[in-house]
Amino acid sequence: DIQMTQSPSTLSASVGDRVTITCRASQNVDMWLAWYQQKPGEAPSLLIYKASYLQTGVPSRFSGAGSGTEFTLTITSLQPDDFATYYCQHHKRYPRTFGQGTKVEV
Amino acid sequence: EVQLVESGGGLVRPGGSLRLSCAASGFRVSTSYMSWLRQAPGKGLEWVAHIEKDASLKYYLDSVRGRFTISRDNAKNSLYLQMNSLRDDDTAVYYCAKDGGGWSVNWGQGTLVAVSS
Repeated sequence: DIQMTQSPSTLSASVGDRVTITCRASQNVDMWLAWYQQKPGEAPSLLIYKASYLQTGVPSRFSGAGSGTEFTLTITSLQPDDFATYYCQHHKRYPRTFGQGTKVEV
Repeated sequence: EVQLVESGGGLVRPGGSLRLSCAASGFRVSTSYMSWLRQAPGKGLEWVAHIEKDASLKYYLDSVRGRFTISRDNAKNSLYLQMNSLRDDDTAVYYCAKDGGGWSVNWGQGTLVAVSS
């Protein structure tokens, strides 16, 4: 199975900050990488697919980059609604494994 | 508008069975890729099972293969997860999702399965 590792596990930030989360795959996943946001008590929501494609309705302050084994999710100007946990997931083959999550907190 | 509503969760003893349902609206399950995913209490996300558009291909997490079965009823526009031989480590919130090309685009609100004696 492909292992996904996110860093950091927890990130302390303030409104207006530029935030970057890294996701590394144990094997090449090409561009087959998605990012999700999850708030407490809610289901996850899709932010980015195919490494850099912004899901419809997601604010443009979110962006994804990378290919192969190293990927990033960047939030250019953190908003109060963005304090949440973020997960990467590869979708190159089954099982589609997730990273362990990155909690963005104040 | 795409909506997914899971049901069927509850408390079950180890070794028991449950059948989760996911009622879909706003699209047809018969022409969609669908998945089940789960999240243990306080833990991260885990993909569990996937069914292709034509239902000919199904994929499972190794730890559930042979115990769980994903299926759908086109007439009821619903997705199911039959879970047998449940174990303590199957305890989680289970989500159904409508997939895109491999990513989960739309998620239900989840249903809690608790396996405990």
